[in-house]
Amino acid sequence: LAKTTQPISMDSYEGQEVNITCSHNNIATNDYITWYQQFPSQGPRFIIQGYKTKVTNEVASLFIPADRKSSTLSLPRVSLSDTAVYYCLVGKGSQGNLIFGKGTKLSVKP
Amino acid sequence: EAQVTQNPRYLITVTGKKLTVTCSQNMNHEYMSWYRQDPGLGLRQIYYSMNVEVTDKGDVPEGYKVSRKEKRNFPLILESPSPNQTSLYFCASSRTSAQETQYFGPGTRLLVL
Repeated sequence: LAKTTQPISMDSYEGQEVNITCSHNNIATNDYITWYQQFPSQGPRFIIQGYKTKVTNEVASLFIPADRKSSTLSLPRVSLSDTAVYYCLVGKGSQGNLIFGKGTKLSVKP
Repeated sequence: EAQVTQNPRYLITVTGKKLTVTCSQNMNHEYMSWYRQDPGLGLRQIYYSMNVEVTDKGDVPEGYKVSRKEKRNFPLILESPSPNQTSLYFCASSRTSAQETQYFGPGTRLLVL
């Protein structure tokens, strides 16, 4: 399983765009990149998944450069309710084992 | 409503008293998994199951047992709980594997005295 490295914490203000970068230098050819969001005392919630280039949904965008050794989760115009821990995960589509790591704690201030 | 349910939500017990935390999903998912979450350590996988009667160890399986006799249920068993198993536990399921969207239960907060 590819190891991921994320900042431990980030601060932002309401209305700003937030970009959280994840490093995964030893990502394998078949690995996908997935991001989850977790609020205190709740289970994680799937945000977005991608393999290469750019993926966008109603919540976020995921940017993956050509070498795939990093990825950036972009949250447009954050609000206080986006305060949460964000996890970057990397792994193959058919596997059962998954490593969440410690995630990035995002604090959005008014 | 599609969901993963866990019971109990809160549990206080004593060292050595066997307990079971139930997990059930109504989405006909093949894959199910258990995680524990501790302050400063993030989420760590305990066991997972790719299908009925197929289970495998995650990163921290010591002190836990699981079974998968039916597709919808994946109970977590602590045969002899110890204080270091005090934690917040989450069950999750997905259609076929860990990499697909996982749906998490509400969590079970366990305190072992």
